[in-house]
Amino acid sequence: GQSLEQPSEVTAVEGAIVQINCTYQTSGFYGLSWYQQHDGGAPTFLSYNALDGLEETGRFSSFLSRSDSYGYLLLQELQMKDSASYFCAVREGGKLIFGQGTELSVKP
Amino acid sequence: NAGVTQTPKFQVLKTGQSMTLQCAQDMNHNSMYWYRQDPGMGLRLIYYSASEGTTDKGEVPNGYNVSRLNKREFSLRLESAAPSQTSVYFCASSEASGGPDTQYFGPGTRLTVL
Repeated sequence: GQSLEQPSEVTAVEGAIVQINCTYQTSGFYGLSWYQQHDGGAPTFLSYNALDGLEETGRFSSFLSRSDSYGYLLLQELQMKDSASYFCAVREGGKLIFGQGTELSVKP
Repeated sequence: NAGVTQTPKFQVLKTGQSMTLQCAQDMNHNSMYWYRQDPGMGLRLIYYSASEGTTDKGEVPNGYNVSRLNKREFSLRLESAAPSQTSVYFCASSEASGGPDTQYFGPGTRLTVL
């Protein structure tokens, strides 16, 4: 089966850069996804990496190293609205397995 | 397009009562999923349906049943609710055609079992 590990919480200040790490163990790898969830809301898709390297989408970037079974989500120019939980996820057959989530708190 | 819709938004049950959570998507997606999320926890898969007419157990299926009524609708039934089933329930759908297999989530149902 699959398992994912990510830090439970991270705190950063507005305008800073923060990195949320995710390590995974899989029996077969199809890519690493990231989802964002604001308190009380539904998770929404942020990014996906199937190959090694960095994918950039605006202020958010996601990195993958398949040889290290490791990825991270990088958030730049942090804003208060980025305070949320961030989940990494990997595919297993026809379903996604989610990590337990990292709660990001952005302070003024 | 409404995306993924869920009803009801909130529900309070007594132990032993039954209920069905409804989910519908209008994106013509093949796959649908039911998750539960407990405070401070990630999303745990209850059941999923890779295509119309098929359903499979996820990580925590005990105490639940599902029905893939048609391509649009996927319902979750609690036959005899227990306090341990107090949670937020999310339905999701995806094309499941490979690649990121992006899942689109409904707004959730907040269920309390007394």
